[in-house]
Amino acid sequence: DADVTQTPRNRITKTGKRIMLECSQTKGHDRMYWYRQDPGLGLRLIYYSFDVKDINKGEISDGYSVSRQAQAKFSLSLESAIPNQTALYFCATSDPKLGQGVADTQYFGPGTRLTVL
Amino acid sequence: DQQVKQNSPSLSVQEGRISILNCDYTNSMFDYFLWYKKYPAEGPTFLISISSIKDKNEDGRFTVFLNKSAKHLSLHIVPSQPGDSAVYFCAASDRNQGGKLIFGQGTELSVKP
Repeated sequence: DADVTQTPRNRITKTGKRIMLECSQTKGHDRMYWYRQDPGLGLRLIYYSFDVKDINKGEISDGYSVSRQAQAKFSLSLESAIPNQTALYFCATSDPKLGQGVADTQYFGPGTRLTVL
Repeated sequence: DQQVKQNSPSLSVQEGRISILNCDYTNSMFDYFLWYKKYPAEGPTFLISISSIKDKNEDGRFTVFLNKSAKHLSLHIVPSQPGDSAVYFCAASDRNQGGKLIFGQGTELSVKP
């Protein structure tokens, strides 16, 4: 079974609709992240959470919100979807172990392809 | 302002030859660098990393080189195999900024039989 799962895998919606993308993990990691991937731009960080009570904005948080319901669950919401939010969205987790050479290694889910018409 | 840049969107290499993927960064505070590989319809998977205290890290066919003075890192794949065909992302991290990863734009590698 996958350690990081995302639902849905594909979603088509209309401008103005509210959308929620969900991420669950069984890795036991405290840190979770949401990214979007656009052609030619790589992966850009939307929001991240270092534990259940911690939420932080990334570089492109406008138009998005998140909720960390539990250690294992981190959801991303688009309050009012617009066409330029059409992208591939990835959730990731990490468990930094300082001094052991694996700090900040992130483990990604399979992605959600979102299309906003 | 792109702090991590992969200036080659694509690279084509013959099977058995060396693939060299390049990455440049601008922030001298980055202290950890990673390479991820991504196949279509899958999430990126961690490939190899290097700390800023080293200049080389090797794992099987994959070697990452870091040149701090030039703010440049490269990933060497030797020998290249058709299964290596994927998009490769480099990423950098500053632990003083909470360890967030800054990704490059990606390079699509095609290894031809």
